Amino acid sequence: EPEVTQTPSHQVTQMGQEVILRCVPISNHLYFYWYRQILGQKVEFLVSFYNNEISEKSEIFDDQFSVERPDGSNFTLKIRSTKLEDSAMYFCASSTGAGGSASYEQYFGPGTRLTVT
Amino acid sequence: AQSVTQLGSHVSVSEGALVLLRCNYSSSVPPYLFWYVQYPNQGLQLLLKYTTGATLVKGINGFEAEFKKSETSFHLTKPSAHMSDAAEYVCAGSARLAGNMLTFGGGTRLMVKP
Repeated sequence: EPEVTQTPSHQVTQMGQEVILRCVPISNHLYFYWYRQILGQKVEFLVSFYNNEISEKSEIFDDQFSVERPDGSNFTLKIRSTKLEDSAMYFCASSTGAGGSASYEQYFGPGTRLTVT
Repeated sequence: AQSVTQLGSHVSVSEGALVLLRCNYSSSVPPYLFWYVQYPNQGLQLLLKYTTGATLVKGINGFEAEFKKSETSFHLTKPSAHMSDAAEYVCAGSARLAGNMLTFGGGTRLMVKP
């Protein structure tokens, strides 16, 4: 069964450093998403991406964040200068966008745990 | 603005007992609603969804949920709990017209006692 994969599973970085979190969505999916979950809190939407551009973003997704689909398979989230409060589990998701109710099904990767020290 | 609330961060049931996990939503339009399950060190796996039509929806692993507009609820049930059902269950909603971002509840950890 196709699945969303994410690398690395755990990333430790120092405050102020740049990090890139990588995701490989399901191959025929057209919509891509990033969410995050701070320990003990709800999963929060960060950004959605379609047709090589951001389609929606939350207030969390400020200028420190950027997303990119550098090739036909990868989808990345970059945090330019990490802060302590960026420590969280980051989930990538994808959906087909094929129309109908199936397009609303988002498939999630296992997450990358980011620890900023 | 849409919000999703799950009553009870922890629920404990005995094996074979009924499972009831509560989810309420608030939004200006009826949303799409989802239940996800999360096992340790794994991603969110879709259990079931409500979009349109039948208000009682069946999902994987014997779970089902009923959309009740009058109560703005989408509670998850399973008639008989198995040990393997122990996991985190997360309810989420998405407005029909609003770009498909998911709004999540806080999650409920289900524990199953032998």
